[in-house]
Amino acid sequence: QKEVEQNSGPLSVPEGAIASLNCTYSDRGSQSFFWYRQYSGKSPELIMSIYSNGDKEDGRFTAQLNKASQYVSLLIRDSQPSDSATYLCASNHSGAGSYQLTFGKGTKLSVIP
Amino acid sequence: DTGVSQNPRHKITKRGQNVTFRCDPISEHNRLYWYRQTLGQGPEFLTYFQNEAQLEKSRLLSDRFSAERPKGSFSTLEIQRTEQGDSAMYLCASSLVDSSYEQYFGPGTRLTVT
Repeated sequence: QKEVEQNSGPLSVPEGAIASLNCTYSDRGSQSFFWYRQYSGKSPELIMSIYSNGDKEDGRFTAQLNKASQYVSLLIRDSQPSDSATYLCASNHSGAGSYQLTFGKGTKLSVIP
Repeated sequence: DTGVSQNPRHKITKRGQNVTFRCDPISEHNRLYWYRQTLGQGPEFLTYFQNEAQLEKSRLLSDRFSAERPKGSFSTLEIQRTEQGDSAMYLCASSLVDSSYEQYFGPGTRLTVT
């Protein structure tokens, strides 16, 4: 059973702080990892993808991957109230010829003005 | 707007009725995916197409569910003899056939079975 685990939260941070979201996965064959943002009542929006160990930065977002520890994280710098949403971590075991994404349940982030 | 589109956005049906949803992917994307999401859960994979071929199906996809993608363009998902447990958001996503495996979601169809 391929699983992706996330702390459901809510995670509350003050405006301007760094929000740190974490995710672990059970399938060592997972090769691609994604972070999606989902506002209440809306569909998931892709914000970051990461494929190799280390950090990947895009604006205020940094994704971190550690395949040895089977751990993925997302850092959001200078958090804004508009960042308040549920953040979904997803993995893909593309090496097995499967293109489905396995999602965690999501972490709800609340940025307090 | 060239994103993924889905119709209808909302559907209310009575138990036992059949429903059909449509998804139009991003125009140059030849992979198309269906997921289902219930409250408090992440999306769960149902099935995926590459062009017109249905290449992968989840065990979640019971025999009441059928999906098609004629001519490799839009896709339809049909649920026969709906049950209250089918109430969920049905999400369609599309992607390129490249090494990124990035999937982009449409707005979803919210199904309520009464």
